[in-house]
Amino acid sequence: DIQMTQSPPSLSASVGDRVTITCRASQTIRNYLNWYQHKPGNAPKLLIYASSSLQSGVPSRFSGSASGTDFTLTISSLQPEDFATYFCQQSYNTLRTFGQGTRVEIK
Amino acid sequence: QVHLQQWGAGLLKPSETLSLTCGVYGGSLTGYYLNWIRQAPGKGLEWLGEIDHSGITNPNPSLASRVTISVDASKNQFSLKLRSVTAADTATYYCAREGKPGLSGISDAFDLWGQGTVVTVSS
Repeated sequence: DIQMTQSPPSLSASVGDRVTITCRASQTIRNYLNWYQHKPGNAPKLLIYASSSLQSGVPSRFSGSASGTDFTLTISSLQPEDFATYFCQQSYNTLRTFGQGTRVEIK
Repeated sequence: QVHLQQWGAGLLKPSETLSLTCGVYGGSLTGYYLNWIRQAPGKGLEWLGEIDHSGITNPNPSLASRVTISVDASKNQFSLKLRSVTAADTATYYCAREGKPGLSGISDAFDLWGQGTVVTVSS
């Protein structure tokens, strides 16, 4: 299985802050990396697919980038509605695997 | 607007069979992989398996001996059965859609999810 190591597990930030979340794959996954936002009681929401493509309807303050097996989700200016858990997922291997998630909390 | 709606029993006893169904409303099953994913309390997400509209399945090898995923294309629904459940199967279960490359939607990403079903296994 491809292991996805996500960091940090949680972070506290203020509205307007720039937030960066990282995901590292245990082997090459090319650009087969997706990011999701999950709020309690809601269905997870796709934010970024193929490492850096913004899903339709997602605000442009969300962006994704990649360097080798390291992937980054950036929120350029955190908004009140962005407080949630974010997780990465690889789709390089048929056996899809996920990062453990990063909880973004209000500072 | 396309959405997924899932349902099934939320409380099971050990050794029973978990049974969940997911309906696709406002869209087609064709051109998509239809997936089941779960998240146990305090843990990360675990992919359970997928099926396409023709019934070709691909379960997670770690659960393959207990999992059956089926599809009823006439009803635009797909289902999950997990046999011989234990407390370790307590989780929120999600259905999710993934486009097939070159066919429909966004490929290689879960672009649409069900609302989740909390399943508790307890004697």
